[in-house]
Amino acid sequence: KAGVTQTPRYLIKTRGQQVTLSCSPISGHRSVSWYQQTPGQGLQFLFEYFSETQRNKGNFPGRFSGRQFSNSRSEMNVSTLELGDSALYLCASSFGWDQPQHFGDGTRLSIL
Amino acid sequence: QKEVEQDPGPLSVPEGAIVSLNCTYSNSAFQYFMWYRQYSRKGPELLMYTYSSGNKEDGRFTAQVDKSSKYISLFIRDSQPSDSATYLCAMIRGQNFVFGPGTRLSVLP
Repeated sequence: KAGVTQTPRYLIKTRGQQVTLSCSPISGHRSVSWYQQTPGQGLQFLFEYFSETQRNKGNFPGRFSGRQFSNSRSEMNVSTLELGDSALYLCASSFGWDQPQHFGDGTRLSIL
Repeated sequence: QKEVEQDPGPLSVPEGAIVSLNCTYSNSAFQYFMWYRQYSRKGPELLMYTYSSGNKEDGRFTAQVDKSSKYISLFIRDSQPSDSATYLCAMIRGQNFVFGPGTRLSVLP
């Protein structure tokens, strides 16, 4: 059974640019969540989508946005990149809110 | 005070030791509890999932939940160098998934 797939694995951008990250969940999973992970802050929740609707949102600025498609695949977008956006961005999928999440290996974003 | 507290370590133990990793939480609304293992440059990997107080065993791993004390533990028996990783506890409250900051474990050969 294929796991959660995130692309690309690595990205290098400069300040002011925008970026789109992609996530393909485990087959049958309809919930997709996004997290930012940094050494100092740990795992911070960005947002969660279920059946193309955003159900939960973390405390991040509006530059961070996402969407989910009818096949449950999800994308997140970060506009006007800042140096502080350098992090590992993780996607996780699950069957529902009371089920454990399964993670991809993330996209490592570096801002120069 | 954070909702979920976890000693960040690092914790170093010799190979073969029993490892005890712990998390405390403040909100009694947490219903489901998980432990994840994360290797460097990889995503967190689910190790254990439980929703009731008591013990759950899977191979060398035992998860323990004490809802009355708001305390969960992960025990690793016969620890191996391959267990060296960061261990994160996680809990579900309603539709919210909350992670602890993680404990870095090193098992020395």
